[in-house]
Amino acid sequence: ILNVEQSPQSLHVQEGDSTNFTCSFPSSNFYALHWYRWETAKSPEALFVMTLNGDEKKKGRISATLNTKEGYSYLYIKGSQPEDSATYLCAFLNSGGSNYKLTFGKGTLLTVNP
Amino acid sequence: DTAVSQTPKYLVTQMGNDKSIKCEQNLGHDTMYWYKQDSKKFLKIMFSYNNKELIINETVPNRFSPKSPDKAHLNLHINSLELGDSAVYFCASSQDGAGLTEAFFGQGTRLTVV
Repeated sequence: ILNVEQSPQSLHVQEGDSTNFTCSFPSSNFYALHWYRWETAKSPEALFVMTLNGDEKKKGRISATLNTKEGYSYLYIKGSQPEDSATYLCAFLNSGGSNYKLTFGKGTLLTVNP
Repeated sequence: DTAVSQTPKYLVTQMGNDKSIKCEQNLGHDTMYWYKQDSKKFLKIMFSYNNKELIINETVPNRFSPKSPDKAHLNLHINSLELGDSAVYFCASSQDGAGLTEAFFGQGTRLTVV
């Protein structure tokens, strides 16, 4: 069983604050890490797919880093806005076996107060 | 124009019934998936199809049978529904089946078995 842990479980910030959260995953047999943004009553939307140790990706005010050797990824949001309120999911893919399947974390629920 | 669409959005049915959930993607992707959001809110893979062929079949009761008439469709048929089948089911697709490209999700089907 692969454990993908996300912390914190939930987070409340004020508009304009910068914030970050963590995704921890097994450091062996790493293949890829995905980040998704999931707004209430909508479907998860992909933010990043990361594959290389040391990868840094950015999309607007959101960025992510990856450390495959120690098994963690950080997601950063700069200058949070109310529309950033959502659950942020990470999903880990390992290279063991011939089938590739994403194991999702439980998510971090971000609420940005105006 | 929805990329991944699944129907119905809500499904309430009695125990013992047989029901189907349909999924279609217009992205030209080769790989499609069914995920179940369990009671602890984790998204867990059920099935994956690549170009109409089954490539992932997780430990799912054989009352659940996916059917892929062509690579743009992956329907989920459930026989003899049980109370424990109540959950939200998500269809998704991706360009490749190896997890190196993002997954696009449908909006989910909330199944309630009474």
